[in-house]
Amino acid sequence: GQQVMQIPQYQHVQEGEDFTTYCNSSTTLSNIQWYKQRPGGHPVFLIQLVKSGEVKKQKRLTFQFGEAKKNSSLHITATQTTDVGTYFCLNSGGYQKVTFGTGTKLQVIP
Amino acid sequence: EAQVTQNPRYLITVTGKKLTVTCSQNMNHEYMSWYRQDPGLGLRQIYYSMNVEVTDKGDVPEGYKVSRKEKRNFPLILESPSPNQTSLYFCASSGLAGQDEQFFGPGTRLTVL
Repeated sequence: GQQVMQIPQYQHVQEGEDFTTYCNSSTTLSNIQWYKQRPGGHPVFLIQLVKSGEVKKQKRLTFQFGEAKKNSSLHITATQTTDVGTYFCLNSGGYQKVTFGTGTKLQVIP
Repeated sequence: EAQVTQNPRYLITVTGKKLTVTCSQNMNHEYMSWYRQDPGLGLRQIYYSMNVEVTDKGDVPEGYKVSRKEKRNFPLILESPSPNQTSLYFCASSGLAGQDEQFFGPGTRLTVL
């Protein structure tokens, strides 16, 4: 399958600081999805990006799809302790076999 | 309530003893998939199914079998489990051939001694 690299692997932030995770692919992606997995939980869908350069917002979360559709980012503004978890990107759309990024584990220090 | 269920949630077994992890969804989804999650490796796809009687290999299919006799069920079979299959397993389903959001089950933590 496609290789989807996700960085950083871990991130510790003080509550109130911003956080960004990046996904990079060696090939063009059709769509990209983002998921959040709380500690001890299962992945939960956050959003799907389809168009080149697309930007979507969900409250404090901003998702971006690169112009070349080879990278994507998730930015959280003013993190809260409820943001703790691991964030995954997933290539989707047009590919029956999907590939997850390796995930970024976010710790928020109160 | 729309959901994906997996059983068992926890299982400790021994090398070579065949086991099946069941997965069921009540959303009439066509696409179903199995993943394993290991520290540092993220989620890797084992097998997926586009519809009844249609299954295909993901990235790490060795040592696993699946079947899709009914739309709602997608069991994962380990014919002869080995310690390297100790992992956290997730089943997921989605509506449109993997292009819609995936709904995940709660996970099955498997330990093979």
